Amino acid sequence: TQLLEQSPQFLSIQEGENLTVYCNSSSVFSSLQWYRQEPGEGPVLLVTVVTGGEVKKLKRLTFQFGDARKDSSLHITAAQPGDTGLYLCAGVTSGTYKYIFGTGTRLKVLA
Amino acid sequence: EAGVAQSPRYKIIEKRQSVAFWCNPISGHATLYWYQQILGQGPKLLIQFQNNGVVDDSQLPKDRFSAERLKGVDSTLKIQPAKLEDSAVYLCASSLVTSGTEAFFGQGTRLTVV
Repeated sequence: TQLLEQSPQFLSIQEGENLTVYCNSSSVFSSLQWYRQEPGEGPVLLVTVVTGGEVKKLKRLTFQFGDARKDSSLHITAAQPGDTGLYLCAGVTSGTYKYIFGTGTRLKVLA
Repeated sequence: EAGVAQSPRYKIIEKRQSVAFWCNPISGHATLYWYQQILGQGPKLLIQFQNNGVVDDSQLPKDRFSAERLKGVDSTLKIQPAKLEDSAVYLCASSLVTSGTEAFFGQGTRLTVV
């Protein structure tokens, strides 16, 4: 069974602080995605990384895919209350296009 | 473009009763997924369809859960009989059949088994 472990599980920070969320697996994925989920809604895609070592920036969010395509990180600079939510990484398997979700990181940014 | 539609949004049933959830994916999306999400956790894949064929149902508790996707469009997920531990949000998602594309999710059905 492919597993994706995220850390930390919970994070409560003040507005303006920086944070990093990690996503680790023993499996190799063809691509890795990060989603954000708000209460009562389904997850919404933030980014897809495909190449080992790839770094993508989305405004204050920086995503990195590990060289071996087994792990990833999400870094948020100067967090804002609007960043509050459940962050999920998802590994995409080649061939079957199965999305394996991580355990989730619940972020709360306090004003 | 219409998103993934799911119904009902909420359902409360007693244990040992049966329940069914419905999903209408985005038009043209060949792949459809059903996930179970326990509160505060990541979604767990229950079953994946490619058109009307099953690609993966390895984590579907087949003694009580069943799913079908007739005509390769809409899908239903059924639980019979329900257990207390089935309380969760059931998410339906769909995607195009290419690597790295986005999985689009519905709002989910929140099931409470009492």
